[in-house]
Amino acid sequence: GAVVSQHPSRVICKSGTSVKIECRSLDFQATTMFWYRQFPKQSLMLMATSNEGSKATYEQGVEKDKFLINHASLTLSTLTVTSAHPEDSSFYICSARPKDYTEAFFGQGTRLTVV
Amino acid sequence: GESVGLHLPTLSVQEGDNSIINCAYSNSASDYFIWYKQESGKGPQFIIDIRSNMDKRQGQRVTVLLNKTVKHLSLQIAATQPGDSAVYFCAETTDSWGKFQFGAGTQVVVTP
Repeated sequence: GAVVSQHPSRVICKSGTSVKIECRSLDFQATTMFWYRQFPKQSLMLMATSNEGSKATYEQGVEKDKFLINHASLTLSTLTVTSAHPEDSSFYICSARPKDYTEAFFGQGTRLTVV
Repeated sequence: GESVGLHLPTLSVQEGDNSIINCAYSNSASDYFIWYKQESGKGPQFIIDIRSNMDKRQGQRVTVLLNKTVKHLSLQIAATQPGDSAVYFCAETTDSWGKFQFGAGTQVVVTP
C-alpha cells in the first residue's frame, strides 16, 4: 500500500499560539488530500479538502481562518491551527488516495494538546 | 445528510468467536464503502471495501455485506483474535478523489 506520513505525531502548545501539522505522501503524488479531526471516543469528522495549487475547500462549520491549509506541492499539505485554544485539542488526521488505488490512505495522526 | 459520530458503542467478543459490526450510512448516493480499523493513537487502516453494485465481499477472515435498501453495512470477522481489538469505522464516498464520510464507529474488545 501507499504511505502517508504526518508530523509531528504529538504537539503541546500554549493558548494563543499557532501550530503547523504536515502531511506528506511518501511514495505517490497527491493533488488532493483530506484533513479530519477526531475527538476522543468519536468518529473522524472531515474538516477540509486540500487542493494542490489552489484554495482548500472547507466543510460546513469549519472556520477557514482558524484552520489554514496550504498544499504547495504534490506531496505536502499543511494544516495550521491559528490562535489555538484548549477546545482545539484533538487528534488531527490526513488522508490521500493514490491514483491507482480506490481506497484512501491515512497518516498516523497528530495529537494536539493546547494548554 | 452526513453521518455524525456522537458516541462509540462497544462490542465485547470472546476470542475465537465471530464478530459482527454494523454500520448505518446516510447517503443513498454513496457508491463505494470501506471498513477501516483504528488502533489507539493511530490513523485508520484499510480492512476491506465494497462497491455499491455488490452485496457481499470476502477477504481473509473478514466479510462485508451491503444492504442498499436500508443503507446498512456490516463487517463480519471470523475467529476473532486479540489483535482485532480496535475501533472499526465504516466510511462512504460518492467521489473518486478519496473524500470519505465516516460512520460512528464501534469499539471491539476481544476477551480471552
